[in-house]
Amino acid sequence: DQQVKQNSPSLSVQEGRISILNCDYTNSMFDYFLWYKKYPAEGPTFLISISSIKDKNEDGRFTVFLNKSAKHLSLHIVPSQPGDSAVYFCAASLTTSGTYKYIFGTGTRLKVLA
Amino acid sequence: EAQVTQNPRYLITVTGKKLTVTCSQNMNHEYMSWYRQDPGLGLRQIYYSMNVEVTDKGDVPEGYKVSRKEKRNFPLILESPSPNQTSLYFCASSAYLRGDEKLFFGSGTQLSVL
Repeated sequence: DQQVKQNSPSLSVQEGRISILNCDYTNSMFDYFLWYKKYPAEGPTFLISISSIKDKNEDGRFTVFLNKSAKHLSLHIVPSQPGDSAVYFCAASLTTSGTYKYIFGTGTRLKVLA
Repeated sequence: EAQVTQNPRYLITVTGKKLTVTCSQNMNHEYMSWYRQDPGLGLRQIYYSMNVEVTDKGDVPEGYKVSRKEKRNFPLILESPSPNQTSLYFCASSAYLRGDEKLFFGSGTQLSVL
């Protein structure tokens, strides 16, 4: 059962425009949601996170929105740059009974066209 | 420099030949974890460790073993590798404080089991 889903395997956007990457989840107990970016031949790197009690978090060109009622979050990149071309993973963390689990989505490959 | 180091980067082996992928972090992190990345499946957690001598199964632990004898090291052991364990493996660590602690990833180990 995929608890964190990224339904768009790929996305192409023109340089300077907005990129919107989406993520859906099923478990309402998740504490935090995080986005990671991955370039080829490298490990994923942290991008931005949001607490489950918030609905928006912003860091420079990156903004994450959380809609708890819809169990949906999105990552907005404005303006998009060619260097943003990478695979983006949505992740959710769960801390219950002393355990600490991260669950990742399947990833969305973003291509920013110059 | 803060980093997670995995070795080797590439490994080709044959079915049934025991192997170990090493992982070491220099950030004094309590939490360490192993993931495998497969096309269309994203990052799936194999095992994780909350601290020395404390390990637990992730979502896909079958065929893998881990140990956490020292805080900095978290090796992944495949006692009898099979072709379905051909995958890209990532080790990660974080300072377990709360659920939004970002993971630091190694550069990955591409394993091929023939």
